[in-house]
Amino acid sequence: QSVLTQPPSASGTPGQRVTISCSGSSSNIGSRFVYWFQKLPETAPKLLIYRNNQRPSGVPDRFSGSKSGTSASLAISGLRSEDEAHYYCTTWDDKLSDWVFGGGTKLTVL
Amino acid sequence: QITLKESGPALVKPTQTLTLTCTFSGFSLTTSEVAVAWLRQAPGKSLEWLSLLYGDGDKRYRPPLKTRLTVSKDTSKNQVVLTMTNLDPMDTATYFCTHYATKNDIGFDIWGQGTKVTVSS
Repeated sequence: QSVLTQPPSASGTPGQRVTISCSGSSSNIGSRFVYWFQKLPETAPKLLIYRNNQRPSGVPDRFSGSKSGTSASLAISGLRSEDEAHYYCTTWDDKLSDWVFGGGTKLTVL
Repeated sequence: QITLKESGPALVKPTQTLTLTCTFSGFSLTTSEVAVAWLRQAPGKSLEWLSLLYGDGDKRYRPPLKTRLTVSKDTSKNQVVLTMTNLDPMDTATYFCTHYATKNDIGFDIWGQGTKVTVSS
């Protein structure tokens, strides 16, 4: 059971906008920055969003992050087939003294 | 350009000790602004953080695994070594090392390709 809660799956058609949620608590998302990673099979995770809504250089602006209270969201606009992957949220948990992750969301591009 | 690469045994027996090496380039692990982290992903599971080793020598471990983990660095070789004792089949996973940037709270920004470890007799 993951500390952060993500929907196990999400889907959309090319060109659509999809959002993936990440729910936590006051000891993690509520007081810390949220990060998002994209994971393709047999490849290393790729940092998509840091500090809730910042994109590393090279990450398309189709990807955006937001946070409100104890929840965060990753939005992907202009969906493309290559966006089909697993997406994970993470943050530091002050109570557990641990980096906690969501269970991951498998995004399918229909 | 920052790169990291993990190396270590692919197969380890239960109760044995696992030693993984992360060889990196493109940065210096000598200040508190930079760290090398270890994370893993078991088959079909989410990611799990294991440890952080800052350039000033500060170390952090995942609390439930703290008694089993040790991380160290060899600055001259640009290497970070993770040891995990008393391996169990539940430790079967792909292990990743990452560059961790504290400046601007960028976090786990650059990852190695990962190394698969199977724990089995």
